[in-house]
Amino acid sequence: DAGVIQSPRHEVTEMGQEVTLRCKPISGHDYLFWYRQTMMRGLELLIYFNNNVPIDDSGMPEDRFSAKMPNASFSTLKIQPSEPRDSAVYFCASSLNPRYEQYFGPGTRLTVT
Amino acid sequence: QKEVEQNSGPLSVPEGAIASLNCTYSDRVSQSFFWYRQYSGKSPELIMSIYSNGDKEDGRFTAQLNKASQYVSLLIRDSQPSDSATYLCAVSDKVIFGPGTSLSVIP
Repeated sequence: DAGVIQSPRHEVTEMGQEVTLRCKPISGHDYLFWYRQTMMRGLELLIYFNNNVPIDDSGMPEDRFSAKMPNASFSTLKIQPSEPRDSAVYFCASSLNPRYEQYFGPGTRLTVT
Repeated sequence: QKEVEQNSGPLSVPEGAIASLNCTYSDRVSQSFFWYRQYSGKSPELIMSIYSNGDKEDGRFTAQLNKASQYVSLLIRDSQPSDSATYLCAVSDKVIFGPGTSLSVIP
């Protein structure tokens, strides 16, 4: 298996623009997680899905953030409009079960200028 | 009190020494605990999981869990420069990661 795939690996955009991050989980993993990592706040869970259904989105910072999982092999995290404070590394991870280990993708480094 | 706390770093140890990393958690009913290693600029990768009280050993790594004290630790024996990284403690019942401890192994 290729592992968790994320795209793009780097994204630079201007404030106010829409940003879409993409993730393909490991085949057979029923759980998909989106995280944001910054030096100040560490690794924060934004939202996670089970069988394509959002289970906990309490970590989504505000309405500018939205996430979807239209099928078992694809998820998106969208920020609209983007702000400089959204600059961070965004990780996607997948798992068979939240009580088991998670496998992380390589991350997307987002810079909003 | 934060839900998952780790000893503040950075932690520096000489090559060959034992590195001790500590983590405490607030939710008494938590059942599953993980240690992830994250190299600079890379994604976290699992190195140890532990579910029951006691010790679990895997090569140079030993995880220790004490649910009564709400404490989980990671010992790295014979530390190598390649162990230099940030170590994240995770409590997976609530999918919470600690802030991480940066470890530097000095040759």
